Amino acid sequence: ETGVTQSPTHLIKTRGQQVTLRCSSQSGHNTVSWYQQALGQGPQFIFQYYREEENGRGNFPPRFSGLQFPNYSSELNVNALELDDSALYLCASSLGQGSTTEAFFGQGTRLTVV
Amino acid sequence: AQSVTQLDSQVPVFEEAPVELRCNYSSSVSVYLFWYVQYPNQGLQLLLKYLSGSTLVKGINGFEAEFNKSQTSFHLRKPSVHISDTAEYFCAVTGTDSWGKLQFGAGTQVVVTP
Repeated sequence: ETGVTQSPTHLIKTRGQQVTLRCSSQSGHNTVSWYQQALGQGPQFIFQYYREEENGRGNFPPRFSGLQFPNYSSELNVNALELDDSALYLCASSLGQGSTTEAFFGQGTRLTVV
Repeated sequence: AQSVTQLDSQVPVFEEAPVELRCNYSSSVSVYLFWYVQYPNQGLQLLLKYLSGSTLVKGINGFEAEFNKSQTSFHLRKPSVHISDTAEYFCAVTGTDSWGKLQFGAGTQVVVTP
């Protein structure tokens, strides 16, 4: 079991609403990456935060935004939810910038948009 | 940019039989390669990774993979599977200049039957 925790584990939102997902990174890790995993697909990279700054972004619209705090925990915010946003959202924490140590994944947040 | 193709969406296999999961990648830069396993309703667990050095990589739970640069492949093998190996397996790649920003394949579902 990793030290990466995500909350909540499940939630249901209505189309058009906004949602905030949270990730507590492994102790000592300064980098958090977020992924979206739609049903039956592989995870897709959303963005990465390194020491509170965005450090790369995948092919996701601006309504997906994030934040990293001084303790390196992170939030993923999604505005104007669409049905296709229904997915498992995974965060992974790691040591960034020149380190090649393992990235540890949390258990994920299952978001259902109705 | 990198991409990953997992050639089999589902692999049925009998208990104690060998299994091979195929993964091909494309990249314009040098890469790091990974295999992850995902059990139902859980996050991702790292099985093994190739960073450099020996092209034969050994991981947890008896899995191994071979990096073949000329064929741009990173196939995963296990000589004898157990029922508990039933899971989804993901191959992932990241460029050596983009640590932590993983590109995943679509996954291979392994179903082990007695």
